[in-house]
Amino acid sequence: GAVVSQHPSRVICKSGTSVKIECRSLDFQATTMFWYRQFPKQSLMLMATSNEGSKATYEQGVEKDKFLINHASLTLSTLTVTSAHPEDSSFYICSARDKYEQFFGPGTRLTVL
Amino acid sequence: GDSVTQMEGPVTLSEEACLTINCTYTATGYPSLFWYVQYPGEGLQLLLKATKADDKGSNKGFEATYRKETTSFHLEKGSVQVSDSAVYFCALKLTDSWGKLQFGAGTQVVVTP
Repeated sequence: GAVVSQHPSRVICKSGTSVKIECRSLDFQATTMFWYRQFPKQSLMLMATSNEGSKATYEQGVEKDKFLINHASLTLSTLTVTSAHPEDSSFYICSARDKYEQFFGPGTRLTVL
Repeated sequence: GDSVTQMEGPVTLSEEACLTINCTYTATGYPSLFWYVQYPGEGLQLLLKATKADDKGSNKGFEATYRKETTSFHLEKGSVQVSDSAVYFCALKLTDSWGKLQFGAGTQVVVTP
């Protein structure tokens, strides 16, 4: 099946810094990518839908100025958590959609100290 | 709006026991239905899917049948293994143009030797 990678897999940063997470579709072109956030022992919460070459569509309650999403090419989307704070600590998962289904990345564990 | 309800966990079973995880949905139109599995510290993997009523999805000994009359998509396995210990998510694909997924809360399954 199709492979989606995320980098980094784990990141620890100080409060106030910005963190960038990359999501890549390795063997297919993804016109649409999704970003999810998952708290411990909870379900995935969709943050935003990202389409190549256009602005991301954010879900209600997600701060677009805090979670910057860029989908610069058909194989790469980035999520930047700006001025991160401890409450932003979470597991962030991306997925990439081909014509038929979504494929999920392995996730990025963000810890903000 | 569209939603997915699945049984709460954790579900604890002995090896070779039968597993059933209930999942019901509410949706407009005719969504596609999915089961995803998440192993500790990892992203989601598609386990099986069904795209229309009466379809049966199957993979790795797991099965689920799309029941339109009861709006259900229960996951079953006749004989579980310790390696099946994971969190299982039921999901439906919304009928919007982006193909967004709506997830249930997840059910943790623990299989003991």
